[in-house]
Amino acid sequence: GAGVSQTPSNKVTEKGKYVELRCDPISGHTALYWYRQSLGQGPEFLIYFQGTGAADDSGLPNDRFFAVRPEGSVSTLKIQRTERGDSAVYLCASSSGGYQETQYFGPGTRLLVL
Amino acid sequence: SQKIEQNSEALNIQEGKTATLTCNYTNYSPAYLQWYRQDPGRGPVFLLLIRENEKEKRKERLKVTFDTTLKQSLFHITASQPADSATYLCAPAMDSSYKLIFGSGTRLLVRP
Repeated sequence: GAGVSQTPSNKVTEKGKYVELRCDPISGHTALYWYRQSLGQGPEFLIYFQGTGAADDSGLPNDRFFAVRPEGSVSTLKIQRTERGDSAVYLCASSSGGYQETQYFGPGTRLLVL
Repeated sequence: SQKIEQNSEALNIQEGKTATLTCNYTNYSPAYLQWYRQDPGRGPVFLLLIRENEKEKRKERLKVTFDTTLKQSLFHITASQPADSATYLCAPAMDSSYKLIFGSGTRLLVRP
């Protein structure tokens, strides 16, 4: 079956621009997560959705970052006024939603802010 | 604050040997711990989960231990193969937490 997909796979933008990153989770998975991974580091938690609502957004670094999941499936991570420090790989994961459930990761979107 | 330490230096071993990777954590008591594998340009892939009341868990050539006294987990790959070369990430987690907090990972290189 299809895994988690993310688009685009690569995104190059200029400082100050707005970007949207999309995540298509595994069908039927109610939980969706966004992580950010910098070179040489492990993924860093950003936000977790259970259904349509953000159950935990404690990892979002500032108010330039926002994520939505309006129909409880596809999610979009939005970054306003991008900065060079936002350059990283943005990973999306989904799970069936219970505690200690395996998270299935997508391939990530590589964002480069020039 | 919570801290997770994995050896940042790559582990370089000969094919057929056992690889042992270490994950140490401080300032919290996770209820369970997961290990993931990550290949270049790809997202992490789940390998094993071990709970705090489990001392050891095995899956094929993989073995994980969890010592809550030492605050440490060890990840072993026996009869290693070049295809095992990847970065391995540990993620200790609280029982009530959905989010994963990852270590920085250890890169394993298995020479043929």
